[in-house]
Amino acid sequence: QAQLVESGGGVVQPGGSLRLSCAASGFTFSNYGTHWVRQAPGKGLEWVAFIRYDGSNKYYTDSVKGRFTISRDNSRNTVYLLMNSLGPEDTADYYCAKDGVEKATIADYQYYMDVWGKGTTVTVSS
Amino acid sequence: QSALTQPASVSGSPGQSITFSCTGSNSDVGGYDYVSWYQQHAGKAPKLMIYGVTNRPSGISNRFSASKSGNTASLTISGLQAEDEAAYYCTSYLRTGTLVFGGGTKLTVL
Repeated sequence: QAQLVESGGGVVQPGGSLRLSCAASGFTFSNYGTHWVRQAPGKGLEWVAFIRYDGSNKYYTDSVKGRFTISRDNSRNTVYLLMNSLGPEDTADYYCAKDGVEKATIADYQYYMDVWGKGTTVTVSS
Repeated sequence: QSALTQPASVSGSPGQSITFSCTGSNSDVGGYDYVSWYQQHAGKAPKLMIYGVTNRPSGISNRFSASKSGNTASLTISGLQAEDEAAYYCTSYLRTGTLVFGGGTKLTVL
């Protein structure tokens, strides 16, 4: 059974950095891309970033470009989200999610997420 | 990047059918068949309900159906049940490799 478990959340001061991890099990991790999605307190879902199954392509929402970096280590079945220059607007629950298509190249992207983790909470506050 | 437009809330009684709307533009919802829907119960992670506009993943009840017309996608729940009370979010392709969520609709089962 496919499972994703996020970790690394916590309280960080404005301008600080944090690295989130997403550990996968129960499926062939190296065959699937991974998304990060966040949800500010009391707000809706916001797509944050996506990394292709082999790490060769990475995509970001505009508000995090240049500050966040998504990466993956297929030998550890883990995806990371390095977050720099954090501001209060980054306070949210962060979810990782498995892409729905196996070995999707740009031409194959279907833009949906079929397995989600339970999330990790990031609070940016002084 | 603007979110897709969803009504903030809807309500219905058990047994009824209810439809959620998700409005975008020619550049996202209207231009591509990459609309998906997610259910999120309070305090829980989202769950995929529909992908590719109309497709239900394995294990999702056939009470859930979806469609698209022009720039608006729709999710319909038939035979409403108390357990359907949740927030529902649509997403769509935005540009290569990126997607955008709707603001979400909170469903209350009366």
